[in-house]
Amino acid sequence: QLLLQESGPLLVKPSETLSLTCIVSGDSMSSDSFYWAWVRQPPGAGLEWIGSIYHTGSSYYSPSLKSRVAMSADTSKSQFSLRLSSVTAADTAIYYCARQGGGTGWPFRSPMDVWGRGTTVTVSS
Amino acid sequence: QSALTQPPSASGSLGQSVTISCSGTSSDVGAYSHVSWYQRHPGKAPKLMIFEVSKRPSGVPARFSGSKSDNTASLTVSRLQAEDEADYYCSSFAGGNTLVFGGGTRLTVL
Repeated sequence: QLLLQESGPLLVKPSETLSLTCIVSGDSMSSDSFYWAWVRQPPGAGLEWIGSIYHTGSSYYSPSLKSRVAMSADTSKSQFSLRLSSVTAADTAIYYCARQGGGTGWPFRSPMDVWGRGTTVTVSS
Repeated sequence: QSALTQPPSASGSLGQSVTISCSGTSSDVGAYSHVSWYQRHPGKAPKLMIFEVSKRPSGVPARFSGSKSDNTASLTVSRLQAEDEADYYCSSFAGGNTLVFGGGTRLTVL
């Protein structure tokens, strides 16, 4: 059974960089059938897609966050990571990692079929 | 790329049916069959309920169904049960290598 677990600092200061890692267990990250995504939910708001990465390192980002986001994948450690720079209070949210797979055709278009439990990150001085 | 539009709330009585809409554009919902629906209970991770407009993952009750017409997708929950009370989010592939979510709908079971 595939499990995803987010880890990282729960408190980040304004203007600094938020860094999170998602540890993948129970299956290989190297399959060609999946993308690996980050999604967040600010307080009182809906879900927001941040970006997705393939095991080769190929990635796509939300246009609204693209200038501040970087994702990486380390298949040898079965984990992928998110870095969000120059954070403000608006980046306070629950951050989820998820697997995209199980759909038809290109995996990037696949639904997010497995999710981590999420981690709450607060941006505050 | 704008968020998909969902009603903030919906409600239905036990045993009845309710439909939640998800309005997009000809560049996302209207252009692709890659529309998904997620259920999120408070404090829990989202759960995939419908993908590719109308397909149900293994383990999701048949009471949940999805459809699409032009730029609007819909999720119907039939024979409402108490445990269906949750937030529901739609999502779509939006072209240009992007994905977009809806703002979410809180479903209340009366």
